[in-house]
Amino acid sequence: GEDVEQSLFLSVREGDSSVINCTYTDSSSTYLYWYKQEPGAGLQLLTYIFSNMDMKQDQRLTVLLNKKDKHLSLRIADTQTGDSAIYFCAESITGGGNKLTFGTGTQLKVEL
Amino acid sequence: GAGVSQSPSNKVTEKGKDVELRCDPISGHTALYWYRQSLGQGLEFLIYFQGNSAPDKSGLPSDRFSAERTGGSVSTLTIQRTQQEDSAVYLCASSLDGTGDRADTQYFGPGTRLTVL
Repeated sequence: GEDVEQSLFLSVREGDSSVINCTYTDSSSTYLYWYKQEPGAGLQLLTYIFSNMDMKQDQRLTVLLNKKDKHLSLRIADTQTGDSAIYFCAESITGGGNKLTFGTGTQLKVEL
Repeated sequence: GAGVSQSPSNKVTEKGKDVELRCDPISGHTALYWYRQSLGQGLEFLIYFQGNSAPDKSGLPSDRFSAERTGGSVSTLTIQRTQQEDSAVYLCASSLDGTGDRADTQYFGPGTRLTVL
């Protein structure tokens, strides 16, 4: 079955790195995504990784995928107050019409 | 360019009434998705359209929920005889083709917040 889990909260100081973790159970996942949701706003795609990759870097964002352990992480370098939001990981499966199964979401709070 | 739009942004209704939520996808996107975000259940998939047909309705929680899409564009999600547990934010997304064979980015609308009293 499909089940995606994340820790609920993360608090970091401005300028530090943030690492948000996600575990999933469906080994047939094709793509894994990270979305950001700011208060009162919709979901914004941050980045994604194909399941045959183990790392992807995009400016301040680094995604690591450990397919053996079904573990995905998002590292945000030099975290800023504007990064405060809820972060969702999501998976899609080939042949599943690309519907997304979302994690529970991690609320990131960046303190001065 | 225009993104995904949804209307209304907020809807308050009485238990037992029917509601219609509308989604305007990005022009040219053939795939359209409805999700629901609630405190107890998180973000859940409801239904997926490829053009005007819905090959996956597996997330619709009951037969009170239905959706249609016309002209390969606008979609309407209808909830009949609303219940308090239907209170949630209903999110719509669209993507270019929805095949899942490649990273087919889904662009989300701002959502409709539904409150059932």
